[in-house]
Amino acid sequence: DTAVSQTPKYLVTQMGNDKSIKCEQNLGHDTMYWYKQDSKKFLKIMFSYNNKELIINETVPNRFSPKSPDKAHLNLHINSLELGDSAVYFCASSPFPGTAGTGELFFGEGSRLTVL
Amino acid sequence: GDSVTQMEGPVTLSEEAFLTINCTYTATGYPSLFWYVQYPGEGLQLLLKATKADDKGSNKGFEATYRKETTSFHLEKGSVQVSDSAVYFCALSVSNTGNQFYFGTGTSLTVIP
Repeated sequence: DTAVSQTPKYLVTQMGNDKSIKCEQNLGHDTMYWYKQDSKKFLKIMFSYNNKELIINETVPNRFSPKSPDKAHLNLHINSLELGDSAVYFCASSPFPGTAGTGELFFGEGSRLTVL
Repeated sequence: GDSVTQMEGPVTLSEEAFLTINCTYTATGYPSLFWYVQYPGEGLQLLLKATKADDKGSNKGFEATYRKETTSFHLEKGSVQVSDSAVYFCALSVSNTGNQFYFGTGTSLTVIP
């Protein structure tokens, strides 16, 4: 019954490979996000989708491509992986403000990506 | 632009000590304010929140008051436990920016017995 689930939890791969991380939420939220957390715990927003539409696209290399097949899923595909992509990637969701609550974020458990 | 500045860590306290982690914000609209906690190896989870000025959020013995006059939302706990060891993030959300969340840099807290 996990609210926001992401897979895989751990990913170890070689430089230059392509990988994907999947995220699903069963909370009925309209908005989903991808965050990157570096080794110093700093959280950086990467993308946000509201009802399958991209609404936030921060300065992220275009090797990163999000895909939202429906409002319950937001996947992250990364091409040509580099050493600097090593981090923990968090998926999150929130109700769009005005629809319910204060729009607080609900996070997945994270996917730790290690690029060798 | 909108942003959050929080006290740098790491912070190390003895059990039962008083905790304060400072957080100040800059926002163009009327933000909601949050404290999130990240335990080792886990994702972030909401600790407490406040949606308007003078609101006090509280949970698990932690408290924070939304102070518009000082643009602050400091986190406090009267007596910390070893189990409170975690990273704490202050955050704000402004609905007129597409529900964008702005996080502080996180403050690592270690409580020693």
